[in-house]
Amino acid sequence: GAGVSQTPSNKVTEKGKYVELRCDPISGHTALYWYRQSLGQGPEFLIYFQGTGAADDSGLPNDRFFAVRPEGSVSTLKIQRTERGDSAVYLCASSSTGTSGIYNEQFFGPGTRLTVL
Amino acid sequence: AQSVTQLDSHVSVSEGTPVLLRCNYSSSYSPSLFWYVQHPNKGLQLLLKYTSAATLVKGINGFEAEFKKSETSFHLTKPSAHMSDAAEYFCVVNPASSNTGKLIFGQGTTLQVKP
Repeated sequence: GAGVSQTPSNKVTEKGKYVELRCDPISGHTALYWYRQSLGQGPEFLIYFQGTGAADDSGLPNDRFFAVRPEGSVSTLKIQRTERGDSAVYLCASSSTGTSGIYNEQFFGPGTRLTVL
Repeated sequence: AQSVTQLDSHVSVSEGTPVLLRCNYSSSYSPSLFWYVQHPNKGLQLLLKYTSAATLVKGINGFEAEFKKSETSFHLTKPSAHMSDAAEYFCVVNPASSNTGKLIFGQGTTLQVKP
């Protein structure tokens, strides 16, 4: 079956521009996560959605970063006034929620490589 | 704050020899621990997970890990390395205090397998 997909696979932009990164989770998965992986580092948590709502956005680095999931499926990560330090691979993951609120395996997409010149 | 520390940034082994990737965790409670693998240009894949059941956890592709509370360790092992095991490996914790399932990743260990 289809896994998590992310578009675009690569995005090059100029400093100060606005970008949107899209994530299509596995059908039926209610939980969706965004992570950021800088070169040579492990992924860092950004934000978590349960359904349409952002249940935990404690990882967003500042108010230039925002994410939405209006219909509880596709999510978009939005970055305003991009800076060179935003260059990284942005990963999306989704999972189902089991009984007693137990979170199951997170399935990761291939990521979007963002380069800010 | 809960975290994981991967003790080696790079490990090199010969094909057919054992693999040991070391991970220590810090946690005030019993965490959920995972190992993920990332092959070049591919998404992260779950190898195995520990969620307070058996302390010896078996995963895919012959990997296993042992949870040792007294040592706060969760080292990943494999008896015999294959060339296809060359990849980046991440030790990961889901804090017991978290009710969101968010994952905290270690810095990663690059496994090189020599012919």
